[in-house]
Amino acid sequence: QITLKESGPTLVKPTQTLTLTCSFSGFSLSTTGVGVGWIRQPPGKALEWLALIYWDDDKRYSPSLKSRLTITKDTSKNQVVLTMTNMDPVDTATYYCAHRTIGGGALDIWGQGTMVTVSS
Amino acid sequence: DIQMTQSPSTLSASVGDRVTITCRASQGISSWLAWYQQKPGKAPKLLIYKVSSLESGVPSRFSGSGSGTEFTLTISSLQPDDFATYYCQQYNTSPYTFGQGTKLEIK
Repeated sequence: QITLKESGPTLVKPTQTLTLTCSFSGFSLSTTGVGVGWIRQPPGKALEWLALIYWDDDKRYSPSLKSRLTITKDTSKNQVVLTMTNMDPVDTATYYCAHRTIGGGALDIWGQGTMVTVSS
Repeated sequence: DIQMTQSPSTLSASVGDRVTITCRASQGISSWLAWYQQKPGKAPKLLIYKVSSLESGVPSRFSGSGSGTEFTLTISSLQPDDFATYYCQQYNTSPYTFGQGTKLEIK
């Protein structure tokens, strides 16, 4: 059974760097085809795709946020970390991590999400 | 980026109705399209992948179709549990963009 869980601060100040950790079980990020993605959702708004890391360490980013995002994996710890620099109040959102299906790329299992508020 | 445009943004319907939600891509995405259902305060749930493949455990009243740039999600007979927000997502080309969502409301 695949599970994912996001963790990190609930409140960050403007200009600070956000670090979120996705801890998962039930799969290995060293298995061919596997990926873990990050998606966010501001309150009352739509889903926004942020980044994805593949089993072979290939990384993809949203172009609009690429300069601020870094995604890394620790295969031995079964974790994926997303950092976002220079946080702003508009970055207030629920942040989700999700497992990418091996067969194609849809996000079949999601974490519960973690709400991050950016405020001074 | 590939833009995904859903219509309508809001849909009012009754239990038992057949409803269709449309998703248009700004360029061709082959068959790499997924549909998700999201309820308030919950994470999205994968319903359909690769345009028309039903995720395990998803009721057969949900179906997907389309090709190229135009895709649809159909619910054949609405059940009370189906009132939620639905999102399409293309995963053909990074960034793997989502539509803006369609909120399905009770009439």
